Amino acid sequence: DIQMTQSPSSLSASVGDRVTITCRASQGISNYLAWYQQKPGKVPKLLIYVASTLESGVPSRFSGSGSGTDFTLTINSLQPEDVATYYCQKYDSALLTFGGGTKVEIK
Amino acid sequence: QLQLQESGPGLVKPSETLSLTCTVSGGSISTGSYYWGWIRQPPGKGLEWIGSINHSGSTYYNPSLKSRVTMFRDTSNNQFSLKLSSVTAADTAVYYCARHAVMVIVATPLDYWGQGTLVTVSS
Repeated sequence: DIQMTQSPSSLSASVGDRVTITCRASQGISNYLAWYQQKPGKVPKLLIYVASTLESGVPSRFSGSGSGTDFTLTINSLQPEDVATYYCQKYDSALLTFGGGTKVEIK
Repeated sequence: QLQLQESGPGLVKPSETLSLTCTVSGGSISTGSYYWGWIRQPPGKGLEWIGSINHSGSTYYNPSLKSRVTMFRDTSNNQFSLKLSSVTAADTAVYYCARHAVMVIVATPLDYWGQGTLVTVSS
């Protein structure tokens, strides 16, 4: 089975900082990767799919990149409302697998 | 606006069967051949996909849970359901239902989620 590994597991950054989260697949998954945002006590929300396409309504400070095994979620100019745990998810096959999550906090 | 709502017992005894239902409103589970899935999240931990079903009853399950999972749908009531047998404390989690974003195929992201329901396994 393909494993999804996120790093770091947590980070603390200042408002306005650029934040980068990495997701690595143990085998190539083309660009079949999604990112979700889960705010504390809330439901996961789809942010990005096919590695780099923003879901409707998602602020443009969020961006995704990558293909194959290495993917990145970037938050340009971190805002207080971005405090959340972010998960990557592969969907290259009928076995959906999530990464372990990255918790983003404000310094 | 599509809405999903989980329902079922919040407490299940070890070795028994966990049963949850997801009721869909604002759209029909029979329209568009979408897959409808279950995901769980143990307290303080990450997300795990359990499995998915479409309107015709075609299912895909996570191999790690396949021996204990059954999903079925009730199109007349616009619902789909999860049964997880022989539960242990490790099955304690918030259980979410969700819709797959693209019609026909299960290998897609999940774009609409229910609010989730906490199920605790304890005697």
